[in-house]
Amino acid sequence: RKEVEQDPGPFNVPEGATVAFNCTYSNSASQSFFWYRQDCRKEPKLLMSVYSSGNEDGRFTAQLNRASQYISLLIRDSKLSDSATYLCVVNGALTFGQGTILTVHP
Amino acid sequence: EPEVTQTPSHQVTQMGQEVILRCVPISNHLYFYWYRQILGQKVEFLVSFYNNEISEKSEIFDDQFSVERPDGSNFTLKIRSTKLEDSAMYFCASSERGRPNYGYTFGSGTRLTVV
Repeated sequence: RKEVEQDPGPFNVPEGATVAFNCTYSNSASQSFFWYRQDCRKEPKLLMSVYSSGNEDGRFTAQLNRASQYISLLIRDSKLSDSATYLCVVNGALTFGQGTILTVHP
Repeated sequence: EPEVTQTPSHQVTQMGQEVILRCVPISNHLYFYWYRQILGQKVEFLVSFYNNEISEKSEIFDDQFSVERPDGSNFTLKIRSTKLEDSAMYFCASSERGRPNYGYTFGSGTRLTVV
């Protein structure tokens, strides 16, 4: 089993849609979880940390399920500018997932 | 907003040559990192650096690679005797605190092409 697994997508959604990504991790001792976004040929940028109780930042909601060893990212009211690759990152950026490609279309 | 600065943005080198990739981390950050991303693949951790020494490194970071903080601002990655498979985007990152609980700020990367 890979350390961090993501559905590579691509997810193609219309503007205004709600979309969710999951990410599974293999190391049950993992302590920290993040979502980054990466635009084409650009650097990863921190989107949000993922806390045990779940957390929200505007249109973005992150959840952690330790029992099933996955994290999720929910994007509400998708914008064109949300089009990017979303990277699941575990243990302080030691391990990156392959990324999930999101394309939001008009 | 503070930035991590990397130079050059693109480096072309011949196989077997040595290259040095340069990074200026955010000034009050204490932890520094190098990553690489081969085109179309995931971001891979290479090495972390704290208090003037390597704190962690991956299997990729073999004797071909070295890092240095030659002065108070620069953080460099040296690749000796480059190979074709070293062609990738190399990202530097820094953080104020160490992992595991803090996200990192990445530089815009150096695209290394080995020919």
